[in-house]
Amino acid sequence: GQNIDQPTEMTATEGAIVQINCTYQTSGFNGLFWYQQHAGEAPTFLSYNVLDGLEEKGRFSSFLSRSKGYSYLLLKELQMKDSASYLCAVIRATGFQKLVFGTGTRLLVSP
Amino acid sequence: GAVVSQHPSRVICKSGTSVKIECRSLDFQATTMFWYRQFPKQSLMLMATSNEGSKATYEQGVEKDKFLINHASLTLSTLTVTSAHPEDSSFYICSAREKAVGQGGQPQHFGDGTRLSIL
Repeated sequence: GQNIDQPTEMTATEGAIVQINCTYQTSGFNGLFWYQQHAGEAPTFLSYNVLDGLEEKGRFSSFLSRSKGYSYLLLKELQMKDSASYLCAVIRATGFQKLVFGTGTRLLVSP
Repeated sequence: GAVVSQHPSRVICKSGTSVKIECRSLDFQATTMFWYRQFPKQSLMLMATSNEGSKATYEQGVEKDKFLINHASLTLSTLTVTSAHPEDSSFYICSAREKAVGQGGQPQHFGDGTRLSIL
């Protein structure tokens, strides 16, 4: 089995920086994804980490520590359109490489 | 980039009806597709893994006789919700990946989802 935990909700102000944490426990690990999902829409891919360290992609960065079972998504220069749910997902190194999602974090960006 | 098409986008039907949802990979072949269900304000829950040419693999607690999955070709998987009831109302999303992660593969790409409402 596996547990993937994230804070349920977060709020931040436009222009600010926000960090969304994700902790996981899983048997077998082959990488961690972050997805963004607006209400009523499908998730869209943001980042993928399989090695320890920081991956930077524009305003978004993602960090992974495999030994700690921990990741975070860092969003800089927040914009109103960043209000969405952010989903942490772990892929297992077995079988069909199923992608299993965490509880998701709803981020509200206010003016 | 890779595109996954899901149809229909919305279904409203009476209790007891069976509903079929299609998931197609448009520009790549997918030997494996995944079906998820999402309730309001909750995350995606993996229901089953659809395998081309063989039986689907269901997650614990998902009734395989209730949610029939057929992966008839390398580009098409279908999910049929049989004898649907109001508690089956949810957002159903499929996803597919061209190659396995770690083999130069891409992340999973998701269809636009199907909002199922059972009256």
